[in-house]
Amino acid sequence: QKEVEQDPGPLSVPEGAIVSLNCTYSNSAFQYFMWYRQYSRKGPELLMYTYSSGNKEDGRFTAQVDKSSKYISLFIRDSQPSDSATYLCAMSEGNFGNEKLTFGTGTRLTIIP
Amino acid sequence: DAGVTQSPTHLIKTRGQQVTLRCSPKSGHDTVSWYQQALGQGPQFIFQYYEEEERQRGNFPDRFSGHQFPNYSSELNVNALLLGDSALYLCASSSPGLADTDTQYFGPGTRLTVL
Repeated sequence: QKEVEQDPGPLSVPEGAIVSLNCTYSNSAFQYFMWYRQYSRKGPELLMYTYSSGNKEDGRFTAQVDKSSKYISLFIRDSQPSDSATYLCAMSEGNFGNEKLTFGTGTRLTIIP
Repeated sequence: DAGVTQSPTHLIKTRGQQVTLRCSPKSGHDTVSWYQQALGQGPQFIFQYYEEEERQRGNFPDRFSGHQFPNYSSELNVNALLLGDSALYLCASSSPGLADTDTQYFGPGTRLTVL
């Protein structure tokens, strides 16, 4: 069993829809939870991070962490064609600047105009 | 401000050969991590270098080795290449000592194809 599980999709939704992306994990030592976006032929770029449980909002993006269920989510409101990319969840036990990141498989998302 | 740069962009090798990939970290960063991303998979941690020493290592064989230079740039070496080594190799830099840069910035990657 992988430490981090993520539905690989692909996921296609119409423009303006709300998108929900999810990951589950098994390592209870994870403290930092991140969402990266990766466009084709590019490296991942950090969208948001959350420390421990709770919610965090940044514009159209909301990240949620439920450590009791070992479940994290990313919601995208008013989705745009430019949001089409692969979304990777990642986790670390310590400060994610100097700790190894454990990634999910990634979910390929397409927003249909 | 240049971000993380990697070279070469693409590389084709045959089984059994050796390869060296290069990474220059973002300005001001002193820590370099390497990840392997197979097609359709998430990145997997290979190792991390700080102060020219390997600080952490993932579950990769000794065929994978690295080096960090005094200017913080880094190399990833893979010996005795296998078909399964075909992947996108990502370099990430960070500088946890700086207050507002507690994150790893990724480069565009080097795509390695082993035939």
